[in-house]
Amino acid sequence: GQSLEQPSEVTAVEGAIVQINCTYQTSGFYGLSWYQQHDGGAPTFLSYNALDGLEETGRFSSFLSRSDSYGYLLLQELQMKDSASYFCAVRDGTGTALIFGKGTTLSVSS
Amino acid sequence: DAGVIQSPRHEVTEMGQEVTLRCKPISGHNSLFWYRQTMMRGLELLIYFNNNVPIDDSGMPEDRFSAKMPNASFSTLKIQPSEPRDSAVYFCASSSSSDTQYFGPGTRLTVL
Repeated sequence: GQSLEQPSEVTAVEGAIVQINCTYQTSGFYGLSWYQQHDGGAPTFLSYNALDGLEETGRFSSFLSRSDSYGYLLLQELQMKDSASYFCAVRDGTGTALIFGKGTTLSVSS
Repeated sequence: DAGVIQSPRHEVTEMGQEVTLRCKPISGHNSLFWYRQTMMRGLELLIYFNNNVPIDDSGMPEDRFSAKMPNASFSTLKIQPSEPRDSAVYFCASSSSSDTQYFGPGTRLTVL
């Protein structure tokens, strides 16, 4: 089966950089995804890594190391609006559905 | 595009009643997913469909839960009879590839 571990909470101040780690165990690997969810809202897609290395999208970057079964989401120049929950996810055994971690709640203060 | 549409947005019902949640996926998407989110268990996959066919329902908690997708633009998740422990936010999501899933706004279900 699939399982993912990520920290439950992270706090930071505006303008800072924060890294949210994710380790996973999966019977078949089809890539690591990251989703953002604001309080009361729906999860929205942030990034996807199928291969090792760093993917950059604006202030957000995502990294994957398949040999270590490890990835992270890097958020730079933090803003108050980045306060949200961040979920890492891997695909299930069929390679279609996503299995999510428990999520990391990021609180950004001024 | 309107995105994934779910109804109702909020549902309050009494234990033992039947509850039906509805979802309209994004047009052209061939995969549809039902998730349940609670504080204790996080975001759980309940069931998903590919081209209207159920592929994996191993996440459906028990026989009280059932899901259908009669056509490419509509799916339902039914709970009969409902119990207080079913209280959660239920999300529907759709995708045209496995890279990105688009979530609906969710249905917040409260069973008294």
